[in-house]
Amino acid sequence: EIVMTQSPATLSVSPGERATLSCRASQSVSSDLAWYQQKTGQAPRLLIKGASTRAAGIPARFSGSGSETEFTLTINSLQSEDFAVYYCQQYKNWPFLTFGGGTKVE
Amino acid sequence: EVQMVQSGVELKKPGESLKISCKGSGYSFVSYWIVWVRQMPGKGLEYMGNIYPGDSDTRYSPSFQGQVTLSVDKSISTAYLQWSSLRASDTAIYYCARLDVAGVDYWGQGTLVSVSS
Repeated sequence: EIVMTQSPATLSVSPGERATLSCRASQSVSSDLAWYQQKTGQAPRLLIKGASTRAAGIPARFSGSGSETEFTLTINSLQSEDFAVYYCQQYKNWPFLTFGGGTKVE
Repeated sequence: EVQMVQSGVELKKPGESLKISCKGSGYSFVSYWIVWVRQMPGKGLEYMGNIYPGDSDTRYSPSFQGQVTLSVDKSISTAYLQWSSLRASDTAIYYCARLDVAGVDYWGQGTLVSVSS
């Protein structure tokens, strides 16, 4: 089973700053990596697929990078609505999935 | 418009059985895997398993194999998650979602299952 590890668990940033979130896979997942945003009381929302492709309707301030085992989600000029929990998820073994433990941006 | 609509809140006692539902609309229901995800109170997302409505091919996470059953009725575009005997530790929000080739793109609103004596 591929294990996904996210860091840090909590990230404290101010509005307008940049947030950098990390995700590491226990083995290579190529670029089969997605990022999700979950706000309190809501279902998750797909942000990034294929490690770096923004999903439909996602603002350009969200960007993803990386491949193989190391991935990064960057949120430029953080807006108030961006404070949430972010999860990475691999689909290398599609349709089996694995989620990371999440990073809370506060 | 693609929508995944789940059944409502369930309040159950330990040992009871339960089946919750997820209805997909706005797309070809038989052509996309449906994935189920658990979120325990204050915790992260856990992949439970998925089912392909076209032929009912089903995959389970090892953590959930034998604990739950996934099924589908493609005639009414509805997927199901069921338990034969609930435990208090099954208390969680359960999400269904549509699995695309590159991620989970449409999510249901979640079903809260609370198990308490």
